Amino acid sequence: TQLLEQSPQFLSIQEGENLTVYCNSSSVFSSLQWYRQEPGEGPVLLVTVVTGGEVKKLKRLTFQFGDARKDSSLHITAAQPGDTGLYLCAQERGSQGNLIFGKGTKLSVKP
Amino acid sequence: DTEVTQTPKHLVMGMTNKKSLKCEQHMGHRAMYWYKQKAKKPPELMFVYSYEKLSINESVPSRFSPECPNSSLLNLHLHALQPEDSALYLCASTTNRRAGANVLTFGAGSRLTVL
Repeated sequence: TQLLEQSPQFLSIQEGENLTVYCNSSSVFSSLQWYRQEPGEGPVLLVTVVTGGEVKKLKRLTFQFGDARKDSSLHITAAQPGDTGLYLCAQERGSQGNLIFGKGTKLSVKP
Repeated sequence: DTEVTQTPKHLVMGMTNKKSLKCEQHMGHRAMYWYKQKAKKPPELMFVYSYEKLSINESVPSRFSPECPNSSLLNLHLHALQPEDSALYLCASTTNRRAGANVLTFGAGSRLTVL
């Protein structure tokens, strides 16, 4: 059973547009991580959110963690072609924190 | 440059071949992982090693055989694979394998094609 739902699955936009991707779960996250993966590479950590209601900014990326810690969003302002990639949210599962990934959002930013 | 090094970057093998994928990290991490990623899908957990002991095997077929010779090295031995095993195999490591602190550093992956 897929416990992490990401939407949209695919997103194709023009350079300069804004976008938001979402990650939802039926259960409470102990923490949530966002990764970005470029073609032919491994995922790279963008941010970890732990506290309900938390907002973190990474240049043009804004990450929000829902108050109930069951959802998170990633907002990109003025997207650039370099933002193209697969965005994955990941949840720790079990007492030893094994990371399980959502299905991902594949973003394509056209110049 | 990634601090987790995977070799080879690309591997093509037949169904009767025996090959190995290798992973190395020198960050002092004591937990290492193998993930499998099919095209357009997220990484799926295969194996977890903690302090060189296998602690998780997510019901992976026995044609995949992991080995952790020491805390810096992780191998994945491949034998009698099927074409559907073709995928990107990702190695990762972490220093704090406990809930709330499990941030993974991934290698660039080994792209496996089984003919």
